[in-house]
Amino acid sequence: NAGVTQTPKFQVLKTGQSMTLQCAQDMNHNSMYWYRQDPGMGLRLIYYSASEGTTDKGEVPNGYNVSRLNKREFSLRLESAAPSQTSVYFCASSTRTGYSNQPQHFGDGTRLSIL
Amino acid sequence: DQQVKQNSPSLSVQEGRISILNCDYTNSMFDYFLWYKKYPAEGPTFLISISSIKDKNEDGRFTVFLNKSAKHLSLHIVPSQPGDSAVYFCAASAGLYNNNDMRFGAGTRLTVKP
Repeated sequence: NAGVTQTPKFQVLKTGQSMTLQCAQDMNHNSMYWYRQDPGMGLRLIYYSASEGTTDKGEVPNGYNVSRLNKREFSLRLESAAPSQTSVYFCASSTRTGYSNQPQHFGDGTRLSIL
Repeated sequence: DQQVKQNSPSLSVQEGRISILNCDYTNSMFDYFLWYKKYPAEGPTFLISISSIKDKNEDGRFTVFLNKSAKHLSLHIVPSQPGDSAVYFCAASAGLYNNNDMRFGAGTRLTVKP
């Protein structure tokens, strides 16, 4: 039972390079999310997708783009990576967006370093 | 601005004793709270939640207490087991139907010693 799968697990980029982080869920969830986690801080929402075909900005969207490719997949793209984007990125999904009593299920994260 | 704060970065307890993890929040609009648990190299997993209409919610060894007047919640683990060693995140949202704007604390690393 895979749940939420993120690829890659680790990546090192040079400043200015682009990259897409992939996320797929097999739980038939409608909503998907991208977070970043920085040392000493909690998870912060970058973008979310309430349903297939829709995306919305979260707390820290600058420098990122997202694509909800289909119900299963939600990708995060860095067009021109900056050292400030060095972080651990988590993808999550939930049955329905906006319902706090339906907790989010998280992937194992992508550790991204930008030199 | 960190609206959810976990002021203790780490906590160490003996196996069998009680673990108490604390969380404070500043936004009085928060009315739904969750605790997540995270092992190294894994994503957070949901542990327990509480709505602001309650002051306590219990699930097995885990109990969450909410003190709205103090804007404080705590997670009690009794008895603590070595497998409970993990990072615990507190999260809060303003509105049951608004978990798109969930705010997380920085986490507390719990170590349970055998």
